[in-house]
Amino acid sequence: EVQLVQSGAEVKKPGESLRISCKGSGYSFTSYWISWVRQMPGKGLEWMGRIDPSDSYTNYSPSFQGHVTISADKSISTAYLQWSSLKASDTAMYYCARLRNGSMFDYWGQGTLVTVSS
Amino acid sequence: DIQMTQSPSTLSASVGDRVTITCRASQSISSWLAWYQQKPGKAPKLLIYKASSLESGVPSRFSGSGSGTEFTLTISSLQPDDFATYYCQQYNSYSRLTFGGGTKVEIK
Repeated sequence: EVQLVQSGAEVKKPGESLRISCKGSGYSFTSYWISWVRQMPGKGLEWMGRIDPSDSYTNYSPSFQGHVTISADKSISTAYLQWSSLKASDTAMYYCARLRNGSMFDYWGQGTLVTVSS
Repeated sequence: DIQMTQSPSTLSASVGDRVTITCRASQSISSWLAWYQQKPGKAPKLLIYKASSLESGVPSRFSGSGSGTEFTLTISSLQPDDFATYYCQQYNSYSRLTFGGGTKVEIK
């Protein structure tokens, strides 16, 4: 069974750093891109970027380029989303998702709620 | 980036109704479109890909059509489990994936 299991909810202060994780199982982790998707409270889905776990090649949405870093450790089948300095506007649910054929999201993690508040 | 516009943003319907949601792309995306269903507090679920292909396990009351810039998701007979928010997503541009704004299907 394909599963993507994300790390737990986080509460952080503005300016703090954070890394959340997404562990894949039940399939060949290096055979599928992993994407991150943001959903702000009461809003729609926004694609942030993606990573090829086989070689860690990434590409980002222009809206998120420079604001977050996506990485992966194929030895432990885990992808990461990282911030160096959080803002209140980063408060959202973040989903990781597997990309089938690099294009559509066929399996999703359960989501990680990130709350940034002073 | 390719912009995806869904209409309506909210739809009120009753069990048994036929429901149609529209998604328009700012430029042609051929048939490179997927539809997702999201229930409150849950991750989205893939329903349709390549505009009209039904994902395995998805009930046949869901169907998709269209190509180019205009697409529709139809639920032939709305069931209680179908009250949710639906999103379209283009993948014509693999390096710039984009979603529509969503359509919430509410109970009338």
